[in-house]
Amino acid sequence: KNEVEQSPQNLTAQEGEFITINCSYSVGISALHWLQQHPGGGIVSLFMLSSGKKKHGRLIATINIQEKHSSLHITASHPRDSAVYICAVNGNEKLTFGTGTRLTIIP
Amino acid sequence: DTGVSQDPRHKITKRGQNVTFRCDPISEHNRLYWYRQTLGQGPEFLTYFQNEAQLEKSRLLSDRFSAERPKGSFSTLEIQRTEQGDSAMYLCASSLARTETYFGPGTRLTVL
Repeated sequence: KNEVEQSPQNLTAQEGEFITINCSYSVGISALHWLQQHPGGGIVSLFMLSSGKKKHGRLIATINIQEKHSSLHITASHPRDSAVYICAVNGNEKLTFGTGTRLTIIP
Repeated sequence: DTGVSQDPRHKITKRGQNVTFRCDPISEHNRLYWYRQTLGQGPEFLTYFQNEAQLEKSRLLSDRFSAERPKGSFSTLEIQRTEQGDSAMYLCASSLARTETYFGPGTRLTVL
């Protein structure tokens, strides 16, 4: 079993829909990261969380430390949001990554 | 641009050749990480440095791999006697302790 599990693996939605991507982890962490990767592109950090909730534009990230679970929400989704979203956790100094959720937003 | 940079962005080599990649982190960041990402997978940890000290190496990093960060600034990752299984995206990242991690654009290695 992977230390970081994401669901769903693939998600296709219509433009404007509310998107939720989930991440569960099984190890103790100091922080959780949500990252975005466009096809053929590098990785961009969206959020780093250690508790509670953060919001940036149309993106919202939440974390529940007790349940070892985090969610990434996208409101009013847009085709430019199409990318792979990766959850990663800070354990012992390094990041452990989930396998990513491939999001496709259809116009 | 004051982000993390990597060079080259793409490298095609023949099996058995040696390759070296370079990473320039954000200047004030004391931590530097190397990760490897194969198609359809999340990145996997290879090694990390705090300043010039290499503090941890993954068992993924076979004897053919070596990484250095000689003055605590840029880092190099060398792969000797490349194999087709080494084909991947090699990602560098940097951070200050317990702060956000910034990723470079990656070096895509193709071993023929």
